[in-house]
Amino acid sequence: AQKVTQAQTEISVVEKEDVTLDCVYETRDTTYYLFWYKQPPSGELVFLIRRNSFDEQNEISGRYSWNFQKSTSSFNFTITASQVVDSAVYFCALSEGSDDYKLSFGAGTTVTVRA
Amino acid sequence: KAGVTQTPRYLIKTRGQQVTLSCSPISGHRSVSWYQQTPGQGLQFLFEYFSETQRNKGNFPGRFSGRQFSNSRSEMNVSTLELGDSALYLCASSLAGSADTQYFGPGTRLTVL
Repeated sequence: AQKVTQAQTEISVVEKEDVTLDCVYETRDTTYYLFWYKQPPSGELVFLIRRNSFDEQNEISGRYSWNFQKSTSSFNFTITASQVVDSAVYFCALSEGSDDYKLSFGAGTTVTVRA
Repeated sequence: KAGVTQTPRYLIKTRGQQVTLSCSPISGHRSVSWYQQTPGQGLQFLFEYFSETQRNKGNFPGRFSGRQFSNSRSEMNVSTLELGDSALYLCASSLAGSADTQYFGPGTRLTVL
């Protein structure tokens, strides 16, 4: 079964618009970690943010913010005032305490920001 | 601090050959993981090493193997290459385990003809 679901395949926006990426995860563990990574055309996965299962506080880091809700098993990610350089594939990932040392990735959402 | 490095960046092989990919983790990181990325299957976990021991393995055939050296550098090997092995192979390093953030290298693009 898919542990991480990213229902949005592609999102296209005009520069300066906000972009929200959805992520739904599935786990029976009480301790787990959630991540967002960005993959630009160069191919390298770039770490963006991380959240622990025991900390539901939502934060803002620069133009990035996230909404972690355990009740709905969702970990959504928002880019505020998007820029062309934000164009990339964004992956949500889950690390479970019971399946150590591995990340389970969603299928990814391709974000295109048009000038 | 230097990031994760992978060599080579590109490889072209033919079916039946074998290939070895190399990964050098971030200094101080002792855990190295490998992932395969294909358009059809997405990002899939191959295996993870810590202190020269494999701690977890994904659902891949035995043709895929790896090892880690005492300096934490890691190699993965694919024997008897198949066309379906064409993929981007990504290496990631972290301090020690599942609670730590994994940082990825640029990947090795393998093409099997």
